[in-house]
Amino acid sequence: DAGITQSPRHKVTETGTPVTLRCHQTENHRYMYWYRQDPGHGLRLIHYSYGVKDTDKGEVSDGYSVSRSKTEDFLLTLESATSSQTSVYFCAISDRRDYEQYFGPGTRLTVT
Amino acid sequence: AQSVSQHNHHVILSEAASLELGCNYSYGGTVNLFWYVQYPGQHLQLLLKYFSGDPLVKGIKGFEAEFIKSKFSFNLRKPSVQWSDTAEYFCAVNPLNTGGFKTIFGAGTRLFVKA
Repeated sequence: DAGITQSPRHKVTETGTPVTLRCHQTENHRYMYWYRQDPGHGLRLIHYSYGVKDTDKGEVSDGYSVSRSKTEDFLLTLESATSSQTSVYFCAISDRRDYEQYFGPGTRLTVT
Repeated sequence: AQSVSQHNHHVILSEAASLELGCNYSYGGTVNLFWYVQYPGQHLQLLLKYFSGDPLVKGIKGFEAEFIKSKFSFNLRKPSVQWSDTAEYFCAVNPLNTGGFKTIFGAGTRLFVKA
């Protein structure tokens, strides 16, 4: 398995609080992605990164921001969590942007 | 809207039955195609991929998929399923004319194999 870890693995938070999820890779892959997985929707891209400090929006980026200050770390921040952001969040990496992606174990986030 | 459609949301089969999961996409240009599998409680992992060449591709665990360009389809098949194939299966498409950054996933098909 690719060396990808996500932290925390589970989190319960209250509406309006900020939340940061971390993705850490040991593969030195250039591309990193954040997805959310919801029943009936599959995986939807939130943000992606194509290098240190280089990020862009995905399909469902509203309410989320990201940062990548090092190759190995990609942070996803919910500035003010809402109940609609209750989901499972997956980080993924790839060494070419159009190739297969390797996924982390996921973070289950519940916003009450 | 551009999309990836998986025809069946839930499939129930008995062991040794044959499997075919449908996937259609609506992108007109060149695409890279993938099937991923998510076993219960685990992360997604790649089953197989198609970039070019022979439209019949073989993946891990006896799975194969056929790319039919004229039908915009990439169906997943397995001749004889096992209980351990119980999982959720996702078709994914990377449209290269968007720069290749955005892989679009279907909604997934949950497969349950009865022992």
